[in-house]
Amino acid sequence: GAVVSQHPSRVICKSGTSVKIECRSLDFQATTMFWYRQFPKQSLMLMATSNEGSKATYEQGVEKDKFLINHASLTLSTLTVTSAHPEDSSFYICSARAVSNQPQHFGDGTRLSIL
Amino acid sequence: ILNVEQSPQSLHVQEGDSTNFTCSFPSSNFYALHWYRWETAKSPEALFVMTLNGDEKKKGRISATLNTKEGYSYLYIKGSQPEDSATYLCAFKVDSNYQLIWGAGTKLIIKP
Repeated sequence: GAVVSQHPSRVICKSGTSVKIECRSLDFQATTMFWYRQFPKQSLMLMATSNEGSKATYEQGVEKDKFLINHASLTLSTLTVTSAHPEDSSFYICSARAVSNQPQHFGDGTRLSIL
Repeated sequence: ILNVEQSPQSLHVQEGDSTNFTCSFPSSNFYALHWYRWETAKSPEALFVMTLNGDEKKKGRISATLNTKEGYSYLYIKGSQPEDSATYLCAFKVDSNYQLIWGAGTKLIIKP
């Protein structure tokens, strides 16, 4: 089946640090990748949708200068949390999709803790 | 505001018993309904993508039905096994270009 690799799986760092999370589709070309954030006991919240070679589309309330998304190739998207603060601590998970009527394939997620 | 509701929030089932839970979504402007299984320490795994009213899909002991007119989908698990323990998520889509709207999931725990 389709495999998506996300790393790192866990990050603990000081406030003010920028953190980059990578999402790779290993065995298929992902025309679209999604970045989600999940708060405890809540549903997945879509942060942004990125299509290869174009700017990401951010959901309302998500700061694009805070959460930088790059989707430079059909197999790699990155999310950079810039100048992270404790309130950015959360679980971030990516997914990738080849075509729009197919299911999304998820990475394992990244647990980000900002001290 | 589009909202997807899943019930119950959590469910304890004895091994061997069958069970089912519900995903409710707005009945207007339906495009697709997705079911995913999310086991602890793993990534969410797609189970079904359902698009047609009355559709029924099956994967082993797991099956799902869809009623787009009344806005619900049921997921059934027959003869529950410990490996079925997971959070089951549904997600709804209004059209091909729109994002998936996710439910909060039903956490299923199978008691041996």
